[in-house]
Amino acid sequence: KQEVTQIPAALSVPEGENLVLNCSFTDSAIYNLQWFRQDPGKGLTSLLLIQSSQREQTSGRLNASLDKSSGRSTLYIAASQPGDSATYLCAVRRTTDSWGKLQFGAGTQVVVTP
Amino acid sequence: EAQVTQNPRYLITVTGKKLTVTCSQNMNHEYMSWYRQDPGLGLRQIYYSMNVEVTDKGDVPEGYKVSRKEKRNFPLILESPSPNQTSLYFCASRGGDQETQYFGPGTRLLVL
Repeated sequence: KQEVTQIPAALSVPEGENLVLNCSFTDSAIYNLQWFRQDPGKGLTSLLLIQSSQREQTSGRLNASLDKSSGRSTLYIAASQPGDSATYLCAVRRTTDSWGKLQFGAGTQVVVTP
Repeated sequence: EAQVTQNPRYLITVTGKKLTVTCSQNMNHEYMSWYRQDPGLGLRQIYYSMNVEVTDKGDVPEGYKVSRKEKRNFPLILESPSPNQTSLYFCASRGGDQETQYFGPGTRLLVL
């Protein structure tokens, strides 16, 4: 069974500091890994998707890395802003799972203080 | 605007009173899914549908039913809700060979 863990559960940083969010998974036979952002009352928004053959993906201030062999992914957010305050979730799709089935971590709640 | 909509957004009900949460998407997506989110547990998949009339169980299907009679709609039915079904529910969809899923805004359910 795939277990996805996100540590820490909560994080508070001052504006301008870089954010580092961690995601670990127990089964390295993954098809891809996604990072989502969750805002209260607005559902989840996909941020980055990394295929199993990739080592990283970048979008603006966001960079996500993937190390399948160690079962880890890291989301970096450069120069954090108060608008980055949200809960960030990672989700993996295993190679043995059906199309679209995802295993989610519990998330890291981020607060960026002005 | 491409979106997934859910109704109602908030619902308080009592044990045993049947309810339906609707989900609709306007992106012509084949795949739709229901998740529940509970503190410390992340999102867990309840049911999913690969296309019209094709549905299958996710990780936590007990106590729930779904149907997919039209491509755009995927309602979640609780025939006899119980307090342990108090949760935040999300509907999601994705299309074709895309991997990105689009999520609805969530339905917060309280069963007394």
